[in-house]
Amino acid sequence: DTAVSQTPKYLVTQMGNDKSIKCEQNLGHDTMYWYKQDSKKFLKIMFSYNNKELIINETVPNRFSPKSPDKAHLNLHINSLELGDSAVYFCASSQGGLAVYNEQFFGPGTRLTVL
Amino acid sequence: QKEVEQNSGPLSVPEGAIASLNCTYSDRGSQSFFWYRQYSGKSPELIMSIYSNGDKEDGRFTAQLNKASQYVSLLIRDSQPSDSATYLCAVNPDTGGFKTIFGAGTRLFVKA
Repeated sequence: DTAVSQTPKYLVTQMGNDKSIKCEQNLGHDTMYWYKQDSKKFLKIMFSYNNKELIINETVPNRFSPKSPDKAHLNLHINSLELGDSAVYFCASSQGGLAVYNEQFFGPGTRLTVL
Repeated sequence: QKEVEQNSGPLSVPEGAIASLNCTYSDRGSQSFFWYRQYSGKSPELIMSIYSNGDKEDGRFTAQLNKASQYVSLLIRDSQPSDSATYLCAVNPDTGGFKTIFGAGTRLFVKA
C-alpha cells in the first residue's frame, strides 16, 4: 500500500564510505525528487527527474549521483561521505510536468549519520 | 535568489482558536503554491494547494493567495492539539513544475 518507499530508514556510516539510498513509488507518477533536510529542518531540493531524465540538479556536489532505472525508481548514491552529509534525505514523487501537477508525495525519509 | 519566507515561530494558539500561518515569496512569476504539514520525525504531507488568487477551503483549512502581494497564507480553524506540527510553505517558480522551493517552516503549538 505504501505510495513512496525508501530504504534504508536509518544509515550510520564512517566518513569516506560510499552508500546508496533507494526509492520507489507505486503512484504511476512521472516525476521524482530527492530532498535534503538538515538539522535546522530546512528542506532543499537536490535533484528532480521526469520520465527517467534529469531535469534539476541543484548545485549538489558530484559525490552525489542519482540514478533512475525507470520512472518508478530513483536511487541516490553518495561517494566519499563527509560529516556535512548527515541529514534526512527524502524522496518524493508527483504527477509532474506542468507546475499545477506538482503536488508531491514524500517517502518516510532516510536518516543518514556520518561519523 | 528565489526565496520563500516564513516566520519560524513557534506560533502558539489555544485549542479551538484560529491559527494563521503566513508566507511570502520572491518570484513574481510563481505558478502554484502548497502547504505541507510535517510532524516531528515524519515526512512532509500535503494539506493544501492553491493556484488562483483568492481563498480555497478544505475542511478546517483555508489557503489564501494574493499574487499581487506575493503572499500566501493558511488558516486553521478550530485548532486541535493534533495540529501541532511544522507547516511548510512551498512554491513552484516560473521555471515550471520540476522545482519546488520550500520555506523554512513555521512551528505551530496548539495548547489544550
